[in-house]
Amino acid sequence: GAVVSQHPSWVICKSGTSVKIECRSLDFQATTMFWYRQFPKQSLMLMATSNEGSKATYEQGVEKDKFLINHASLTLSTLTVTSAHPEDSSFYICSARGAGGEQETQYFGPGTRLLVL
Amino acid sequence: GQNIDQPTEMTATEGAIVQINCTYQTSGFNGLFWYQQHAGEAPTFLSYNVLDGLEEKGRFSSFLSRSKGYSYLLLKELQMKDSASYLCAVMDSNYQLIWGAGTKLIIKP
Repeated sequence: GAVVSQHPSWVICKSGTSVKIECRSLDFQATTMFWYRQFPKQSLMLMATSNEGSKATYEQGVEKDKFLINHASLTLSTLTVTSAHPEDSSFYICSARGAGGEQETQYFGPGTRLLVL
Repeated sequence: GQNIDQPTEMTATEGAIVQINCTYQTSGFNGLFWYQQHAGEAPTFLSYNVLDGLEEKGRFSSFLSRSKGYSYLLLKELQMKDSASYLCAVMDSNYQLIWGAGTKLIIKP
């Protein structure tokens, strides 16, 4: 299957700082990337969908000014958690879908664990 | 509303067979996915069904009945490494994935 990478794997930061997470599709062009958040023992929660070159579409309840998403190229999307607070501590996972159409499989990155102190 | 139902937890014995069921009610249907997620890791893709019937991939098989809004994931010759959560997800008419809460599968020796 397709390979999606995320960096960093782990982030520990102080409250009030901003954290950037990168998501890259390594062997295919990802026209659409998705950002999810998962709290312990809970299901995946979609935060936003981003298409290359356009603004991200945020799910209800997700603050777009707090979670900045940039999908600048067909292989890279970034999520910036601005002014992070302890309640933002979570497992952030990106997934990418290829250009073959909307029914293409989503492939997940390995996830980024964020701990805000 | 849109709804995906799957059991919260199942237990099975190493070497045995287990079937994880998933029922769904969504606005439209563009396919059903099964993902495996080990604790602390991101999901990995297992299967995709869009037509009725059984798709077999090694020890794993996935079945779909669109008329019944029903799918199952069948795992044969269970191994300890199969202990994980199994996520059912349906792609709706807007091509959005609707996720089930996952089934935690516990394998006992």
